[in-house]
Amino acid sequence: KAGVTQTPRYLIKTRGQQVTLSCSPISGHRSVSWYQQTPGQGLQFLFEYFSETQRNKGNFPGRFSGRQFSNSRSEMNVSTLELGDSALYLCASSLKPSSYNEQFFGPGTRLTVL
Amino acid sequence: GESVGLHLPTLSVQEGDNSIINCAYSNSASDYFIWYKQESGKGPQFIIDIRSNMDKRQGQRVTVLLNKTVKHLSLQIAATQPGDSAVYFCAESRLAGSGDKLTFGTGTRLAVRP
Repeated sequence: KAGVTQTPRYLIKTRGQQVTLSCSPISGHRSVSWYQQTPGQGLQFLFEYFSETQRNKGNFPGRFSGRQFSNSRSEMNVSTLELGDSALYLCASSLKPSSYNEQFFGPGTRLTVL
Repeated sequence: GESVGLHLPTLSVQEGDNSIINCAYSNSASDYFIWYKQESGKGPQFIIDIRSNMDKRQGQRVTVLLNKTVKHLSLQIAATQPGDSAVYFCAESRLAGSGDKLTFGTGTRLAVRP
């Protein structure tokens, strides 16, 4: 069974640009969560989607958005990139929302903003 | 591999010894706690969880202890192996009510000496 896949794995952007990251959950998983990981702030919850609906959102500005498609694949978008957005963005999937003990993480997308 | 945290506290243990990793949580309303393991270049991996109505839970070679009085969580790893080398995070959540989301600790790097 394939795990959670994230594309691209690495990305370099400049300030002011926007970026879209993609996450394909484990087959059959309908819940997808996104997290940001930085050396300074650690792991922080961004948002969670279930059945194409945003179920929960962390404390991030409106520049961070996401969506989920009918096949459960999810994308997150960051507009008007800032240097501080440089981070590892992790996606995790589970069968049901908030099923943390059955949640599997992808390897992440490393975003560098120059 | 990916750099999870440049200035994480490090616990160095001899192979075969027991490891104890500690975590202080902040929200007294949190009622669910998780320990994750993150190896270099990978996303976090669920290890064990515990609800606030328990003070101890055991898994395979791991034990989590919860002290709600002082808001302290610990992870004990028995007979530590080289494969246990990783960064370990605790996380807390409030399952009761809506809007539950994970809040992560800063992490501890475990280094196993052969």
